[in-house]
Amino acid sequence: QSALTQPPSASGSLGQSVTISCTGTSSDVGGYNYVSWYQQHPGKVPKLIISEVNKRPSGVPDRFSGSKSGNTASLTVSGLQAEDEADYYCSSYAGSRNLGVFGGGTKLTVL
Amino acid sequence: QVQLVESGGGVVQPGKSLNLSCGASGFAFNTYAMHWVRQAPGRGPEWVAVTWFDGSHKFYAESVMGRFTISRDNSKRILYLQMNNLRGEDTGVYYCARGHQVVDVWGPGTTVIVSS
Repeated sequence: QSALTQPPSASGSLGQSVTISCTGTSSDVGGYNYVSWYQQHPGKVPKLIISEVNKRPSGVPDRFSGSKSGNTASLTVSGLQAEDEADYYCSSYAGSRNLGVFGGGTKLTVL
Repeated sequence: QVQLVESGGGVVQPGKSLNLSCGASGFAFNTYAMHWVRQAPGRGPEWVAVTWFDGSHKFYAESVMGRFTISRDNSKRILYLQMNNLRGEDTGVYYCARGHQVVDVWGPGTTVIVSS
């Protein structure tokens, strides 16, 4: 399984919106509605913020939203706040007899 | 509450072995698939291995196939990762994590350093 493709960096000003893309193949992102997004602050454990393409776990602000079109998933962070500055990783399920696959990560900078 | 706690990490020489454990509490461990995930310094996470809820199926990353073995004891609520013939590139933080299609809970991790 090849890694999913994410831009290495993204940025936005306080209060603005930013979208991070995650491109895979029909064997992962395009084949299943099981794309997840994780937020990781330095030295911390990755935290699930979006599952199943667009579902937010309890406690995750509704500023975070997810979508998918074909083999590309996207994470949108609206109303950027300083605490949103972190690394973001997408991941996709790739079938019951495979491990999933991660993206390389996107470092989000809040200006 | 739902909790996963890893143990067993440490510093080990190349070619040696290490056995990691992950204790689970606060949920029906025997109904969930479980993963080991690792993260090398300065890199993104990598799925290492997964075992189905009953241990009947196990799948591995190509980078560890034949060297690592994932197993579980549902009666003790423990997930294991036996790591043999360790290499420098196996250095990193190892997390256990709950779920298969949706991996929602991660432990705090245990650090493995492979160095002579």
